[in-house]
Amino acid sequence: DTGVSQDPRHKITKRGQNVTFRCDPISEHNRLYWYRQTLGQGPEFLTYFQNEAQLEKSRLLSDRFSAERPKGSFSTLEIQRTEQGDSAMYLCASSLPGTERMNTEAFFGQGTRLTVV
Amino acid sequence: QQPVQSPQAVILREGEDAVINCSSSKALYSVHWYRQKHGEAPVFLMILLKGGEQKGHDKISASFNEKKQQSSLYLTASQLSYSGTYFCGTEMWGGYQKVTFGIGTKLQVIP
Repeated sequence: DTGVSQDPRHKITKRGQNVTFRCDPISEHNRLYWYRQTLGQGPEFLTYFQNEAQLEKSRLLSDRFSAERPKGSFSTLEIQRTEQGDSAMYLCASSLPGTERMNTEAFFGQGTRLTVV
Repeated sequence: QQPVQSPQAVILREGEDAVINCSSSKALYSVHWYRQKHGEAPVFLMILLKGGEQKGHDKISASFNEKKQQSSLYLTASQLSYSGTYFCGTEMWGGYQKVTFGIGTKLQVIP
């Protein structure tokens, strides 16, 4: 396995259009995260899946954002009616299941850079 | 609650040491440290889980003071390859492994 892969790597879209990104996590990882990163900032948490269940979604996310992980494997992030403020790097990360006493590292993908014009 | 990192930027000469601090106003379950080079994905360095825990990898180590909700990353005898932006991420108790990252500390090591 070569790690977390994201597709596409770059996306330019016109304001108002819908976009969908895909993330393929490391195969045995049941946890999957979506983050957004803008220039000069750290990754900002968007949402988190454990298997196919979406356990948490950031309050910062508007209703235009939706994420799915239908079979507990790959995940998609859709942004409807894109706005210029959505321009950012969208990062996906995955990790092994942790336990109450042990957290596990997250492996990040290379990200999808979205530019809304 | 985003953790606060300091300093925001630092320039070192090869061989010098640096400390990057991370603090939170909330009780922490764990602290995660990542390094990101320009145009690349963040790469895991270490996780600290217990109060007073210290970890190390090569010449990079970290401490976590659970009572003070603070963590520090120590870079010893810096190398050119250490250049990048260092992020601390914090996880609150009951946070479902949701990690909130600081804005990062940009480290540049020069010859």
